[in-house]
Amino acid sequence: GESVGLHLPTLSVQEGDNSIINCAYSNSASDYFIWYKQESGKGPQFIIDIRSNMDKRQGQRVTVLLNKTVKHLSLQIAATQPGDSAVYFCAENWSQTGANNLFFGTGTRLTVIP
Amino acid sequence: EAQVTQNPRYLITVTGKKLTVTCSQNMNHEYMSWYRQDPGLGLRQIYYSMNVEVTDKGDVPEGYKVSRKEKRNFPLILESPSPNQTSLYFCASSRRGGSEKLFFGSGTQLSVL
Repeated sequence: GESVGLHLPTLSVQEGDNSIINCAYSNSASDYFIWYKQESGKGPQFIIDIRSNMDKRQGQRVTVLLNKTVKHLSLQIAATQPGDSAVYFCAENWSQTGANNLFFGTGTRLTVIP
Repeated sequence: EAQVTQNPRYLITVTGKKLTVTCSQNMNHEYMSWYRQDPGLGLRQIYYSMNVEVTDKGDVPEGYKVSRKEKRNFPLILESPSPNQTSLYFCASSRRGGSEKLFFGSGTQLSVL
């Protein structure tokens, strides 16, 4: 899966299946994580975020899971649709040390097969 | 509608000809930032601003300038563009920076010949 460092660049899933996009982070002080979706020719769009005091957060058809022990973040998309085809980025921040910016991974391209 | 507006959407120019890409947000955000996106390299931050008259370098500031004279506007200036600045540029804003959701503009595709 994707990481703020290393990434699995592509993921192909069948329409209707669930998708899991992974993200490994290296900074144990990171306490805020966010997922973006970027469709071709468009700017990144916010999907969901999570703070480190939570392990799981759900949105509409999406769930983000945070495992602080192994520094791993995942985005689960239920019943994947063709419109979910895009590049997905995770980003992190460590607010306690006053970091001003989000730090982005390089992205995972999700392709949904009809 | 809350949004970040960039202009132009597409720009083709020649080496050395000064250009400005405008960015405006209507959400009263304090934080604004510019990124460039190149294939395989993800989003790289150029400059950011925590508030009016406060700007800081990101990861790849060389060849770029910014200004933040008003809260809503954060233009990106290329004084003497070069071909290695051909890229897709995004402006973004958030309430305060840091652990806050960023809102992105639609992007500016720049080609420097």
